[in-house]
Amino acid sequence: LAKTTQPISMDSYEGQEVNITCSHNNIATNDYITWYQQFPSQGPRFIIQGYKTKVTNEVASLFIPADRKSSTLSLPRVSLSDTAVYYCLVGDTMRTGRRALTFGSGTRLQVQP
Amino acid sequence: DAGVIQSPRHEVTEMGQEVTLRCKPISGHNSLFWYRQTMMRGLELLIYFNNNVPIDDSGMPEDRFSAKMPNASFSTLKIQPSEPRDSAVYFCASGKGAQISKFSYEQYFGPGTRLTVT
Repeated sequence: LAKTTQPISMDSYEGQEVNITCSHNNIATNDYITWYQQFPSQGPRFIIQGYKTKVTNEVASLFIPADRKSSTLSLPRVSLSDTAVYYCLVGDTMRTGRRALTFGSGTRLQVQP
Repeated sequence: DAGVIQSPRHEVTEMGQEVTLRCKPISGHNSLFWYRQTMMRGLELLIYFNNNVPIDDSGMPEDRFSAKMPNASFSTLKIQPSEPRDSAVYFCASGKGAQISKFSYEQYFGPGTRLTVT
């Protein structure tokens, strides 16, 4: 089964760029890489999704190297409101053809003034 | 547009009672997911449906848990009988699911149901 590895926590200051890297060595050919953000007492919120190279939206950028064994979520100029847990999600293809969705432990980002 | 709707938002019940959690997915989404979140175990996928059909229920803890999706706009997660260790926040999410050649994991989560079993 594909497994993701992320740093447990990161600290930053307002206005800085934050890069969170996720390792997923066993990613399958047809899998997407998806990142979510979760604030306390709320459900996770979709941030960005990609398959290869680079994806950018109004919130973040996602960098995926050619081998797809890792991905980096980049948050430009973070603010205090970006303090949250960030999850990297990679779909599994199980032997039976079923797919599982596994949220790892996430990265707790703390942004300070 | 309304997001994913879950009810109730909070549920307190006694051990042994039946608990039913409800979810209305976003219109047009063809996949629905039930998750459970606790401090100890994090966010766990319990079951997911595609086009109202259960696809992967390997995360359902035991026979006390059951989930149904009778139509595209409604799903339930039932626990019978409930136990204190079932206390958690239960999230429902919906998404576009299986597409032509790839599976999209873009999901939209509801606000969750906080279940406390005493």
